[in-house]
Amino acid sequence: DTGVSQNPRHKITKRGQNVTFRCDPISEHNRLYWYRQTLGQGPEFLTYFQNEAQLEKSRLLSDRFSAERPKGSFSTLEIQRTEQGDSAMYLCASSLDGTDEAFFGQGTRLTVV
Amino acid sequence: RKEVEQDPGPFNVPEGATVAFNCTYSNSASQSFFWYRQDCRKEPKLLMSVYSSGNEDGRFTAQLNRASQYISLLIRDSKLSDSATYLCVVNWGAGKSTFGDGTTLTVKP
Repeated sequence: DTGVSQNPRHKITKRGQNVTFRCDPISEHNRLYWYRQTLGQGPEFLTYFQNEAQLEKSRLLSDRFSAERPKGSFSTLEIQRTEQGDSAMYLCASSLDGTDEAFFGQGTRLTVV
Repeated sequence: RKEVEQDPGPFNVPEGATVAFNCTYSNSASQSFFWYRQDCRKEPKLLMSVYSSGNEDGRFTAQLNRASQYISLLIRDSKLSDSATYLCVVNWGAGKSTFGDGTTLTVKP
């Protein structure tokens, strides 16, 4: 399967713990995006990478959230000191440079208890 | 007011019906537009891009009206398998995109 891959698919964590999610984009895609989606809402933009450079960050991305894409390939999203309000589906997407047609991974569903 | 607004529905239609969804956007600098389909508890999947001249893909037709800042999606001859949530997406630069909250369609036998 050469699509966008996200791991883990599900994560249950206790409030206050740190979690890290991984995204492997489609191999030739140099644009990578992270979104968060809650029930009944559309995906909300969190951050955007072009190769290894993080070029955009949403105001939604508090200082507890950090994302990296160290070699311009896979990316990680870390949430520190998780809160119940962080419970959501975290979606990663990628696209080719010069196009906005993004392809999504299956997401990581986070539940904070 | 949200940057991208969609009628949440639900739209309940019989098989074979024609159904249309609208989406309005507020950022006049928006550059590209898309419709995505999302099945329950699945990831969004690109349905089609939307071009100024309008474009068609089988039973699906997308239109863009820049002057009025809205895009539309028309589905003809609805199938049971068209039941899903349809998300409107507006981009105004690299990495700058906003999704609507989606319109839910249920096609019934």
